[in-house]
Amino acid sequence: DAGVTQSPTHLIKTRGQHVTLRCSPISGHKSVSWYQQVLGQGPQFIFQYYEKEERGRGNFPDRFSARQFPNYSSELNVNALLLGDSALYLCASSLRSGALGVWEQYFGPGTRLTVT
Amino acid sequence: GENVEQHPSTLSVQEGDSAVIKCTYSDSASNYFPWYKQELGKRPQLIIDIRSNVGEKKDQRIAVTLNKTAKHFSLHITETQPEDSAVYFCAASGGTYKYIFGTGTRLKVLA
Repeated sequence: DAGVTQSPTHLIKTRGQHVTLRCSPISGHKSVSWYQQVLGQGPQFIFQYYEKEERGRGNFPDRFSARQFPNYSSELNVNALLLGDSALYLCASSLRSGALGVWEQYFGPGTRLTVT
Repeated sequence: GENVEQHPSTLSVQEGDSAVIKCTYSDSASNYFPWYKQELGKRPQLIIDIRSNVGEKKDQRIAVTLNKTAKHFSLHITETQPEDSAVYFCAASGGTYKYIFGTGTRLKVLA
């Protein structure tokens, strides 16, 4: 889990602006998931990317988008920021393992986004 | 829809006592149940997990039990220490990438 990196660590934006958050997964992991964690709540699933394709999307508006690059790093983009987008954005690096084919996820340190 | 309920929301125990956190999931297809510990301002860290083909798993002072029939799973921490103080999240996954997280339990271990 220590291998997942995210940048930047903190970010302050104003309403209406756009933001790009970046994530590099653990070496050998081909899947990246993005979560939003509002203060006091559990992480909420936003996207998963595997082999550069979107494999799943949570209940988030179209202002949220993401992509994965050939080196498996990923970007999360949020347009037209709202005050309610203020949160910790977590990237999780995933590896499928075991007979049941479960996805083990390891989280990065997160990017704390504050929208004013 | 998919849902994971977690109780209690806060838990205070004396150092050395045991702590138990319980979760209930709704999706019968769930087959993977990780537990994360999150300290203030830090990332969630995987502390233990259990798959649906196992009823119990233990790692030193931490254990997790799973009751598939009742759709319950629980985290047990024995001989608690002050450094166990954190927010704990349970999660459920149905063999896919998507984790459904509980709402968290703030554990305080009193010295």
